[in-house]
Amino acid sequence: SYELTQPPSVSVSPGQTARITCSGDALPKQYVYWYQQKPGQAPVVLIYKNSERPSGIPERFSGSSSGTTVTLTISGVQAEDEADYFCQSADSSPTWVFGGGTKLTVL
Amino acid sequence: EVQLVESGGGLVQPGGSLRLSCAASGFTFSGYAMHWVRQAPGKGLEYVSALSNNGVTTYYANSVKGRFTISRDNFKNTLYLQMDSLRADDMAVYYCARVGVNSELDYWGQGTLVTVSS
Repeated sequence: SYELTQPPSVSVSPGQTARITCSGDALPKQYVYWYQQKPGQAPVVLIYKNSERPSGIPERFSGSSSGTTVTLTISGVQAEDEADYFCQSADSSPTWVFGGGTKLTVL
Repeated sequence: EVQLVESGGGLVQPGGSLRLSCAASGFTFSGYAMHWVRQAPGKGLEYVSALSNNGVTTYYANSVKGRFTISRDNFKNTLYLQMDSLRADDMAVYYCARVGVNSELDYWGQGTLVTVSS
């Protein structure tokens, strides 16, 4: 079955840059979407189609892709950014899948 | 304002059934595909099922195929998930989500908790 791989955790100090990766064999051909989920809340879409940002999402959130890896970058991390982050994509079936999630800790 | 409100969760014994509902408002429901996504306690997100805007095309995760049925009533603006033969590993918060114009899940409900236990 198709899988997306994320690091379980990333830690950064406030004001630094956090990078969360998502790897999958189909990513060169499929878009990736990023979601933020805070405790007790539903996920919120941060990035669509690898690098596009919905209206209302702060500019410090950005996405990029290179081969089988896509990256969510959070520039100037703030305390409020502490959350779980999930990537999501699909293969050609289509089979939709989420990455395992990355817990971002703001030190 | 777009709103998705799930209901129907609760406690059910292994092997039992539940039907979840997702009431949509604030947008033209019949124009959008919809998904169900679940999250087991302390775990990540898992795709469950998807349905096209006209109710014709369906998708099921292998883990629920043959046990769960997704459907919609575009007149009632409601999405459903019929869950049969429930197992302990089906225990999760179930979210409905709208598929946006860029294929992102742009709106989510607050979730409804399904507990499978004897």
